[in-house]
Amino acid sequence: AQSVTQPDIHITVSEGASLELRCNYSYGATPYLFWYVQSPGQGLQLLLKYFSGDTLVQGIKGFEAEFKRSQSSFNLRKPSVHWSDAAEYFCAVGPQGGKLIFGQGTELSVKP
Amino acid sequence: DADVTQTPRNRITKTGKRIMLECSQTKGHDRMYWYRQDPGLGLRLIYYSFDVKDINKGEISDGYSVSRQAQAKFSLSLESAIPNQTALYFCATSGVGRGNQETQYFGPGTRLLVL
Repeated sequence: AQSVTQPDIHITVSEGASLELRCNYSYGATPYLFWYVQSPGQGLQLLLKYFSGDTLVQGIKGFEAEFKRSQSSFNLRKPSVHWSDAAEYFCAVGPQGGKLIFGQGTELSVKP
Repeated sequence: DADVTQTPRNRITKTGKRIMLECSQTKGHDRMYWYRQDPGLGLRLIYYSFDVKDINKGEISDGYSVSRQAQAKFSLSLESAIPNQTALYFCATSGVGRGNQETQYFGPGTRLLVL
């Protein structure tokens, strides 16, 4: 069955430090992969997506993600975290009958 | 104006009451979705609709019903609310075509408390 796992429930990084959020998926074919961010009190905003082609995908707010088929992973990275990046991050995979499967989310805290 | 709007943004109700959450979109998308979010569980799909005449149950549809009044409107109803339906509810939309139909855009959410 298709699934998405975000192994880290909560991560804390210092402002200015680099960030990597992990996402592992199980999917029978070439997946469509997404990262969304949810700021406090807000809806989910699409950060980036991968459908095919270049495995390194650039998104908004300075984020990027790399699709690694051999590892079934789609990790999100940012070279230098800002305090405003504190939020919850969701990885998702599709399509499953036209729907997305979401991971449990990773909450990011940023230390001054 | 936001592309996907949800009303109300916050709602407190009592056990046994019927309530409706509404979602409207100006993106011109055919596909609409209702999710609930609970801490540690991510987003779980309640219902989805690929067009006005197509309504489908998601993984947690029990206790919920929906109505697709128009392409732009998709409402979620709790016929008799219970406390474990306390959650954050999101509406989402997506377009058509490869890639577009999987790319979902979310509303700001409705926070529901059932006492």
